[in-house]
Amino acid sequence: DTGVSQDPRHKITKRGQNVTFRCDPISEHNRLYWYRQTLGQGPEFLTYFQNEAQLEKSRLLSDRFSAERPKGSFSTLEIQRTEQGDSAMYLCASSLGVSGAYEQYFGPGTRLTVT
Amino acid sequence: AQTVTQSQPEMSVQEAETVTLSCTYDTSESDYYLFWYKQPPSRQMILVIRQEAYKQQNATENRFSVNFQKAAKSFSLKISDSQLGDAAMYFCAYTGTASKLTFGTGTRLQVTL
Repeated sequence: DTGVSQDPRHKITKRGQNVTFRCDPISEHNRLYWYRQTLGQGPEFLTYFQNEAQLEKSRLLSDRFSAERPKGSFSTLEIQRTEQGDSAMYLCASSLGVSGAYEQYFGPGTRLTVT
Repeated sequence: AQTVTQSQPEMSVQEAETVTLSCTYDTSESDYYLFWYKQPPSRQMILVIRQEAYKQQNATENRFSVNFQKAAKSFSLKISDSQLGDAAMYFCAYTGTASKLTFGTGTRLQVTL
């Protein structure tokens, strides 16, 4: 068990470009979460999956954001037409169970800088 | 909506001493969980301790313990015998029926010699 991994760790892009991030959860974890963390703040929930089904999306997740989890394994988060306000750390977490009783294990994050 | 408030942006403690980090929350749910997460500089977030709301007994994990006051909606973290490796951002977090985590704004803990 190698933990939750995220790729890339850092991404610098120009405003208006599209970016895609990948998260590989701990194997057999059926829940996968995406959070966004800006400087000096706690992480904010974006969306989560149970297996391949996307069960909830935050109002923070504008139409420019889309997330997928094909086959219930890895997940991708795409941001289209990036804006400077999208600059943040994007965190992925996974958990084994379907209730809040199960610990969420976090990945190292992808730091996005939009210039 | 649930909210989590951490009113101490920064705290400092001397090595081997004890420090308490504060957290309050607001919810109308009766079944929920509270967590303290640690985020070291440039490293990933890890769970420090968890408290189930239905349990009256305060959770403990080695040098870490909580003071859970359900009626007051307070959930503080006590770190005993502080070590240099305890220096990090500490986030209080809540989850209820929705399973997503709601975080506070964090407390930066400095540990001095």
